[in-house]
Amino acid sequence: KQEVTQIPAALSVPEGENLVLNCSFTDSAIYNLQWFRQDPGKGLTSLLLIQSSQREQTSGRLNASLDKSSGRSTLYIAASQPGDSATYLCAVRDDKIIFGKGTRLHILP
Amino acid sequence: GAVVSQHPSRVICKSGTSVKIECRSLDFQATTMFWYRQFPKKSLMLMATSNEGSKATYEQGVEKDKFLINHASLTLSTLTVTSAHPEDSSFYICSARDSTPTNSPLHFGNGTRLTVT
Repeated sequence: KQEVTQIPAALSVPEGENLVLNCSFTDSAIYNLQWFRQDPGKGLTSLLLIQSSQREQTSGRLNASLDKSSGRSTLYIAASQPGDSATYLCAVRDDKIIFGKGTRLHILP
Repeated sequence: GAVVSQHPSRVICKSGTSVKIECRSLDFQATTMFWYRQFPKKSLMLMATSNEGSKATYEQGVEKDKFLINHASLTLSTLTVTSAHPEDSSFYICSARDSTPTNSPLHFGNGTRLTVT
């Protein structure tokens, strides 16, 4: 059974710092991995999608990596801003889509 | 970009009544849509997979007679919470994936906050 774990559960950093969010999964037989952002009481916004054959994807200040063999992905956020404060979720797709519990990120102005 | 519209965004209903939530893919066709439920400070939990033109596939522990799913077209899936009770109060989110190409990303609606009084 696929399990997705995100560490840390919560993170507070001063504005301007670079930071890394971690996601691990137990079964490496995945089709893809997707990172999302969720603002309180809102739906999900897709940030980056990494196919199983890819190693990383970049969008603006965000960079996501995937090491399928070790069951790990990281989301790197450069030069963090207060507007980055949100919950970040990763999800892996095998025959279903399984979410981690998320990392609540708070950027301190 | 692909957009998924979910309606209503908030609904309050009395115990015993039924509530219907709509999920539409606005600019792509989705043969499969997914319904999730999220409790406060918890992860999204997949409730069911909605398949166009056929019966939905429910996850273990989800009552199919209570959470009725209809996926009548390639752009619309509905979730009806029947005989709602306060414990059904939650945040419900739908998602859809473009039927083509394969392995396309998931797109999510903005969610529906259901409060049963």
